[in-house]
Amino acid sequence: GAGVSQSPSNKVTEKGKDVELRCDPISGHTALYWYRQRLGQGLEFLIYFQGNSAPDKSGLPSDRFSAERTGESVSTLTIQRTQQEDSAVYLCASRRQGFEKLFFGSGTQLSVL
Amino acid sequence: SQKIEQNSEALNIQEGKTATLTCNYTNYSPAYLQWYRQDPGRGPVFLLLIRENEKEKRKERLKVTFDTTLKQSLFHITASQPADSATYLCALEGYDYKLSFGAGTTVTVRA
Repeated sequence: GAGVSQSPSNKVTEKGKDVELRCDPISGHTALYWYRQRLGQGLEFLIYFQGNSAPDKSGLPSDRFSAERTGESVSTLTIQRTQQEDSAVYLCASRRQGFEKLFFGSGTQLSVL
Repeated sequence: SQKIEQNSEALNIQEGKTATLTCNYTNYSPAYLQWYRQDPGRGPVFLLLIRENEKEKRKERLKVTFDTTLKQSLFHITASQPADSATYLCALEGYDYKLSFGAGTTVTVRA
């Protein structure tokens, strides 16, 4: 595709449910990043992938959060037993390799009721 | 722990003036520093990148400086226009390829 695609664009869920967020990076981009952005705040690093390997998972807030990536393609971020504090925009970005610019998707707005 | 701080206040300027944004960091030795623009409801868009051994970079009306001694980057928008109104984010990248962002500075340019 022409850009980074994220789905769904909006997700409303009930507290305690599991959600899965999807990111399709730009073709050929080996690196993929996930960030969380709470309302009015900056980007909080969650995890990044190089290929399908995740060298740095240090930003995942708790063991309810997990992410995986298939090859150098789609990635999914899963949040189990969602809590209200998980409500935020989840942004995905990709790039060809390290030290280059990131291309961001439009994000998934997650609302936990 | 690593910390990235941007102008804590929003910036309101008159059209035609220069906007100067600050990005300070502590406990960090970045290899690269990047600046992004974010409009409401959208993902950030890349603007400029500067390496640790570079002092200054320019692109059209944008200029970024990088002082590793002061641990500071300055981002300038010259001849500002209302279309420049947005939130501007600085991002630091270490040799571990982890990109960390500041909280951003919101710029409003008045016509």
